[in-house]
Amino acid sequence: SQTIHQWPATLVQPVGSPLSLECTVEGTSNPNLYWYRQAAGRGLQLLFYSVGIGQISSEVPQNLSASRPQDRQFILSSKKLLLSDSGFYLCAWSGGASRWLFFGSGTQLSVL
Amino acid sequence: GENVEQHPSTLSVQEGDSAVIKCTYSDSASNYFPWYKQELGKRPQLIIDIRSNVGEKKDQRIAVTLNKTAKHFSLHITETQPEDSAVYFCAASGNQAGTALIFGKGTTLSVSS
Repeated sequence: SQTIHQWPATLVQPVGSPLSLECTVEGTSNPNLYWYRQAAGRGLQLLFYSVGIGQISSEVPQNLSASRPQDRQFILSSKKLLLSDSGFYLCAWSGGASRWLFFGSGTQLSVL
Repeated sequence: GENVEQHPSTLSVQEGDSAVIKCTYSDSASNYFPWYKQELGKRPQLIIDIRSNVGEKKDQRIAVTLNKTAKHFSLHITETQPEDSAVYFCAASGNQAGTALIFGKGTTLSVSS
């Protein structure tokens, strides 16, 4: 069966520090991969999605970037974190003919 | 791009009552409309979905209706129970492979016993 791993679960970072959140999917090949951010009162905001290695679509111009170095690995990065980057970050995948989206367990990021 | 509006933002009902959450979308090309439930501290999970070739779908106590002409869809929960308390998100997406889901802002449902 397919599983999605996301880490770390919580992260506290100072303003101006770099960020790297990693997500991997097991049990499937060529998944569609997504990064969402959940902030209070703003629901689930799509940040990036990828339909293949090296293919990244950005939905919201901001301080973050994403990369997909391997088929089942999706990384969210920042060179310098801002206070406004705080939030709950969720990685997700979908695949094949199914339109279902499966979420990782999330990373609670606090930028202080 | 797609924009999804969801109402209400909070909803309080008594156990046994029905709950209705409504969403509207902007992109007439969207054809897939799922609903997700997120319990406190947990990840969102799919509870039901509907495609544009169907007007209504039921699964036990939950049902979803879709009106493509008006571009709105709704979630109906009957005989609510305390364990239905959670945040519910609607979403919409188009038909192309890998097209991302665009979510509404969520509805916090509280069911009191």
